[in-house]
Amino acid sequence: DAGITQSPRHKVTETGTPVTLRCHQTENHRYMYWYRQDPGHGLRLIHYSYGVKDTDKGEVSDGYSVSRSKTEDFLLTLESATSSQTSVYFCAITPDRSYEQYFGPGTRLTVT
Amino acid sequence: AQRVTQPEKLLSVFKGAPVELKCNYSYSGSPELFWYVQYSRQRLQLLLRHISRESIKGFTADLNKGETSFHLKKPFAQEEDSAMYYCALSGHGNEKLTFGTGTRLTIIP
Repeated sequence: DAGITQSPRHKVTETGTPVTLRCHQTENHRYMYWYRQDPGHGLRLIHYSYGVKDTDKGEVSDGYSVSRSKTEDFLLTLESATSSQTSVYFCAITPDRSYEQYFGPGTRLTVT
Repeated sequence: AQRVTQPEKLLSVFKGAPVELKCNYSYSGSPELFWYVQYSRQRLQLLLRHISRESIKGFTADLNKGETSFHLKKPFAQEEDSAMYYCALSGHGNEKLTFGTGTRLTIIP
């Protein structure tokens, strides 16, 4: 599993509340990613990071922000959750000099 | 812009029959192509990548640049092949992956 964990694994929250999801890795890889998985859309990149404090937007970044103050942690924040953000969120890493991505177990988020 | 198309959302195949999951891509250059698989209640994992030309769990995939396709094939389906399969593309030197919408494969006993 490349030492990737996500927390929480499940969360139910109300519309308008802030939510932070955490991705933690144990192997100090530079590249980290946040995806959301939705039926009919596959996996879509939200944000990614290529080092501490170096982040960039992905395909579906509106309504999301990220932070990476330490190599091992990549946080995804929904400032004001909406029902359209109900999804399964996956974190991934890419080891240096590799094209393969390793995925975390996912976080199922429900916004009511 | 890079794009990956998986035309089949669902595919059902009888055990022992051949399997082919279709993937077409759009990219102006030489892409890296991958197949990822997600078994029930498990995380996504890499099944194979075109550059390694390996056969994993009996699956193979050939990159056809003329048809811009990277179809996944297996000659004899097994029940444990039931899963969600994603085709993905990475531009050369670009660590970002673009995924297709996925195909759910069900093997009928």
